[in-house]
Amino acid sequence: GESVGLHLPTLSVQEGDNSIINCAYSNSASDYFIWYKQESGKGPQFIIDIRSNMDKRQGQRVTVLLNKTVKHLSLQIAATQPGDSAVYFCAENKVRGGKLIFGQGTELSVKP
Amino acid sequence: SQTIHQWPATLVQPVGSPLSLECTVEGTSNPNLYWYRQAAGRGLQLLFYSVGIGQISSEVPQNLSASRPQDRQFILSSKKLLLSDSGFYLCAWRTGQGNNSPLHFGNGTRLTVT
Repeated sequence: GESVGLHLPTLSVQEGDNSIINCAYSNSASDYFIWYKQESGKGPQFIIDIRSNMDKRQGQRVTVLLNKTVKHLSLQIAATQPGDSAVYFCAENKVRGGKLIFGQGTELSVKP
Repeated sequence: SQTIHQWPATLVQPVGSPLSLECTVEGTSNPNLYWYRQAAGRGLQLLFYSVGIGQISSEVPQNLSASRPQDRQFILSSKKLLLSDSGFYLCAWRTGQGNNSPLHFGNGTRLTVT
């Protein structure tokens, strides 16, 4: 079935390094993608989104890259900080119905 | 600005008891509303969504139901809880104007069925 999956369940980086979290999706008809950050015991927090007519979008310290050819989405975090430690989810928006499908998440751990 | 409220934050209920979780949104009109469930260490599973008052779409057959009695109120219910209903329940909203907008989540209800 259609799904969004994460390449790695955990990622450990040193404070100050750049982090890259990857996501593969299988629905080529999806037109909108979102990255969320979820801290323990809280709801997911919106980080950045990208529409399918773009291949790159930048925010504050974050960049999302979309490669539609290989159905791959990535989140890059520059100068990773301890406060970035959390679980990160990618989500894709199906064209029909507008439902968001979430991946299983990657846990990012930042070492001081 | 828009805010979303969920309560209670935590809940412990015995098997067979009823459930009612409430979610309200402020600062927006005609939102799309969603209930998700998250098992420990897992992603989010969509349970129900609503595009308007009284309009409920169910994603998976289950022991739960949802209702939307008012524009900005979304309620998740069960008549008799099962052990498998334990989990982290999240309410979310998005603008009703098209689908290319992010969901905004509440802080969830941690439900433990004993």
